[in-house]
Amino acid sequence: GNSVTQMEGPVTLSEEAFLTINCTYTATGYPSLFWYVQYPGEGLQLLLKATKADDKGSNKGFEATYRKETTSFHLEKGSVQVSDSAVYFCALSDGNFNKFYFGSGTKLNVKP
Amino acid sequence: EAQVTQNPRYLITVTGKKLTVTCSQNMNHEYMSWYRQDPGLGLRQIYYSMNVEVTDKGDVPEGYKVSRKEKRNFPLILESPSPNQTSLYFCASRPSGPRNEKLFFGSGTQLSVL
Repeated sequence: GNSVTQMEGPVTLSEEAFLTINCTYTATGYPSLFWYVQYPGEGLQLLLKATKADDKGSNKGFEATYRKETTSFHLEKGSVQVSDSAVYFCALSDGNFNKFYFGSGTKLNVKP
Repeated sequence: EAQVTQNPRYLITVTGKKLTVTCSQNMNHEYMSWYRQDPGLGLRQIYYSMNVEVTDKGDVPEGYKVSRKEKRNFPLILESPSPNQTSLYFCASRPSGPRNEKLFFGSGTQLSVL
């Protein structure tokens, strides 16, 4: 079956530090991969996506590369800001984008 | 403003008392879905709907019902709620057609079943 595994949090970093949040997946077929972000009291928002192997998704300084050989989609940012504090969810979807599978979420705290 | 609207934002109820959580979107999206969010488990899909009168089960449909009589609305019905359905619920929608994979989420409904 399909599933997503994320590193447990919380992750606490100082401003301008480098961020990596690990995500690995199990899937049948050729899934699309996503990172969603959830700010306190809000719904999830799409941060970036990749729809095929070796694609790199990027947005707001965040990047993730779809690695089929390691079944991974790790989220990275070179220099985090306090405003990046949120919960980050890795997700995958089947080819029809009807069923979505989310990881457990990783809370990021960025200190000034 | 394009949005997905859920109501109520907070709901406290008792075991066995039927309730409905409403979800409405103003983006003319064909696809809508419901999720529950629990600590350590992330979001799990309850039901989804690809169009009016077309619904299908997600991973955790037990104890829930849905209906899709109009394109804009997709209510979630708990006919006999139990304490294990205490959770944060999210409704989401997405457009059809090319590049249609982005989900738009509502702000959530925090449900407590006593």
